[in-house]
Amino acid sequence: GAVVSQHPSRVICKSGTSVKIECRSLDFQATTMFWYRQFPKQSLMLMATSNEGSKATYEQGVEKDKFLINHASLTLSTLTVTSAHPEDSSFYICSARWAGEQFFGPGTRLTVL
Amino acid sequence: AQSVAQPEDQVNVAEGNPLTVKCTYSVSGNPYLFWYVQYPNRGLQFLLKYITGDNLVKGSYGFEAEFNKSQTSFHLKKPSALVSDSALYFCAVSADQTGANNLFFGTGTRLTVIP
Repeated sequence: GAVVSQHPSRVICKSGTSVKIECRSLDFQATTMFWYRQFPKQSLMLMATSNEGSKATYEQGVEKDKFLINHASLTLSTLTVTSAHPEDSSFYICSARWAGEQFFGPGTRLTVL
Repeated sequence: AQSVAQPEDQVNVAEGNPLTVKCTYSVSGNPYLFWYVQYPNRGLQFLLKYITGDNLVKGSYGFEAEFNKSQTSFHLKKPSALVSDSALYFCAVSADQTGANNLFFGTGTRLTVIP
């Protein structure tokens, strides 16, 4: 139980395009999901907390207009990287909170050319 | 401010030998410390956590971690490594005992167990 999936697992896009990453809780409902980002050789950093039916809470330094988060249902949160640039290339991981724990997705590798 | 450091990007160990993956922490209050493991193409999985009490914490898959307050360390250990233990390991700290909220992760250590 408590499985979280992410789609796609890997995406390559051109600079200036937008990319949407989906995070789904497969066998439980999650009112709260988290989005993390990891640059090479750096820590996994929390970007934002996604709450079902309300606006996401962004961590300091994360541009909310660039990283759009939508948590429209209890099993799905999406992260859209708008007008992506090479510096946005990173590994994006989501997690979902359930039964007092966080359960993590496998991650999405974004490469912006 | 809370942070953890994993000084080793890569750890190699022979199968059957003991393994240690290092983690040091910096917190302003009580340290709530966690270890997660990530196997290829899978999400991070919870291994164990230290909240309070015994300094030696036992977790999943035969792993344990030792909390050392004087050295501000929380190293992950296993007495006898298996090839299947090869994975990416993350240390984390949280202000929340459950780890259900903001987790501050280290950079990760890739463990390779050599047959």
